[in-house]
Amino acid sequence: GAVVSQHPSWVICKSGTSVKIECRSLDFQATTMFWYRQFPKQSLMLMATSNEGSKATYEQGVEKDKFLINHASLTLSTLTVTSAHPEDSSFYICSATTGGGPDTQYFGPGTRLTVL
Amino acid sequence: GEDVEQSLFLSVREGDSSVINCTYTDSSSTYLYWYKQEPGAGLQLLTYIFSNMDMKQDQRLTVLLNKKDKHLSLRIADTQTGDSAIYFCAEISNDYKLSFGAGTTVTVRA
Repeated sequence: GAVVSQHPSWVICKSGTSVKIECRSLDFQATTMFWYRQFPKQSLMLMATSNEGSKATYEQGVEKDKFLINHASLTLSTLTVTSAHPEDSSFYICSATTGGGPDTQYFGPGTRLTVL
Repeated sequence: GEDVEQSLFLSVREGDSSVINCTYTDSSSTYLYWYKQEPGAGLQLLTYIFSNMDMKQDQRLTVLLNKKDKHLSLRIADTQTGDSAIYFCAEISNDYKLSFGAGTTVTVRA
């Protein structure tokens, strides 16, 4: 099946620094990628939808200047958490879709961000 | 946004059947999904059902859909220790956005 990778798998950073998380579709071209955030023992909350070559669409309540998304190619989207603070600590998961059938959205393994 | 609701916990004995329930609100969802998440990992698609179907069976998994009541269930037959995980139901919008329930933590005891 299709594979989506995320890098890094975990990161610890100091408050005030920026962190970049990569999401790659390894063996397919993704028309759309999604970024989710998951707090411990909670559901996934959609943060933004990313289409190659265009600006990301953010969900209500998500600060676009805080969470910068760049979708440079059909296989790569990046999420940059700018000026990270402890409340940004979370599990960030991306997914990628070819926009085909109902089972064509594939999830990455997630990135655990801890801000000290 | 849509609200998808699930019971939070389920404990089941190994070998028994597990039934996880979910209610959703968006009647226009064309597909409904069940995902599995193991600790510290991403989501694995288990199965999905088209909205005009009542039931779908896939090996040990049986999905039942009651569209009138907007109720979805997942039955796992012969539950094994490897089935211990968090299970999410989800509905999808026309632009491929998934809305997830809170997740049901399934614990399989020997």
